[in-house]
Amino acid sequence: AQSVTQLGSHVSVSEGALVLLRCNYSSSVPPYLFWYVQYPNQGLQLLLKYTTGATLVKGINGFEAEFKKSETSFHLTKPSAHMSDAAEYFCAVRINTGFQKLVFGTGTRLLVSP
Amino acid sequence: EPEVTQTPSHQVTQMGQEVILRCVPISNHLYFYWYRQILGQKVEFLVSFYNNEISEKSEIFDDQFSVERPDGSNFTLKIRSTKLEDSAMYFCASTLGGNTEAFFGQGTRLTVV
Repeated sequence: AQSVTQLGSHVSVSEGALVLLRCNYSSSVPPYLFWYVQYPNQGLQLLLKYTTGATLVKGINGFEAEFKKSETSFHLTKPSAHMSDAAEYFCAVRINTGFQKLVFGTGTRLLVSP
Repeated sequence: EPEVTQTPSHQVTQMGQEVILRCVPISNHLYFYWYRQILGQKVEFLVSFYNNEISEKSEIFDDQFSVERPDGSNFTLKIRSTKLEDSAMYFCASTLGGNTEAFFGQGTRLTVV
């Protein structure tokens, strides 16, 4: 069965510092992987996704993630954090049952300090 | 930009009461979903709905839960007799196709007291 593990419920960085949010997955079939972001009082917004092809995927707001099959990882990075990046980030894997059923990680809250 | 909207944003209800959470999916989408997140836990799949019937449901989605698309625009989740453990954030989502991007609403925080 597919599953996702996000290491660290909270990550704190300074503005301008590198952001690294970790996600490891478990899947018996080639996975479709996603990162979602949730800003306070808002819904889940898709940041980026990996389906097939290029393993380095770029998303909105300067975020990117690299699919590493050998490490079963899909870590999210951003070279320089901005105050507006403070939010909850969720990694998810899609179960290929024919419908877009997602299995989520527990989420990582990103805190950005001035 | 089209969006999924959910109402109410927060609902408090007494244990044993029925609640209905409402969602308006994106208008041309055909697939609809409910997820929930208990505080501090994972976002969990509850149910998917297509062509006016449930296509898949999780083990969480027991007889206390039901979904409906009563009028072609709203998509509702009903909990017949709420329990304390139903307290969670409930997210509605919709997709155009079965394999296309899921758009989520902002969630309804349900508190059962």
